Amino acid sequence: DAEITQSPRHKITETGRQVTLACHQTWNHNNMFWYRQDLGHGLRLIHYSYGVHDTNKGEVSDGYSVSRSNTEDLPLTLESAASSQTSVYFCASRKETSGYNEQFFGPGTRLTVL
Amino acid sequence: QKEVEQDPGPLSVPEGAIVSLNCTYSNSAFQYFMWYRQYSRKGPELLMYTYSSGNKEDGRFTAQVDKSSKYISLFIRDSQPSDSATYLCAMSRPSGNTPLVFGKGTRLSVIA
Repeated sequence: DAEITQSPRHKITETGRQVTLACHQTWNHNNMFWYRQDLGHGLRLIHYSYGVHDTNKGEVSDGYSVSRSNTEDLPLTLESAASSQTSVYFCASRKETSGYNEQFFGPGTRLTVL
Repeated sequence: QKEVEQDPGPLSVPEGAIVSLNCTYSNSAFQYFMWYRQYSRKGPELLMYTYSSGNKEDGRFTAQVDKSSKYISLFIRDSQPSDSATYLCAMSRPSGNTPLVFGKGTRLSVIA
């Protein structure tokens, strides 16, 4: 069955370290998204991609970067982790066509920055 | 003003109650309206979606869209403890290739 996976599921790191969160989908979807979810803020879009080598900034992109070298993967990098980046991170993917298409979410990565 | 407003709750109801969850929005360009359900420590999953105005029913769940008032609702009939979750509304423009805009989510607890 097609799916979307994230790794690691839990991560504890220290302030200033570089961290990369992995996202992998097997639906061959062109559209992929990264969100963070915090109490009181809901889901906030960090970065998204509409295809290989395409990346776009979302609402809260400062301190994060992504690159898309293939269709299946969109890794999220925290260049220098800060305590404010402690959050639950969700990756999502969606088929690219006109009209409506369901967006599927991964299981999430819980990141703690000490 | 945020594009999508949703009361975060929490909302606590007894088993069997009718639950009403709502979102308001400001962008009249939105045409697709979705409700996602998110259980604790899980990713959101699509529950229902509607296009433009009108109602859509799926079992105990009914989604309503009132574009004239920029207001959408999700009704849950005969609520069950298994319905306890966070419910997020989401919307998008007619072009399917734009990021969804989410409400903050309403946390619902159904007490047995």
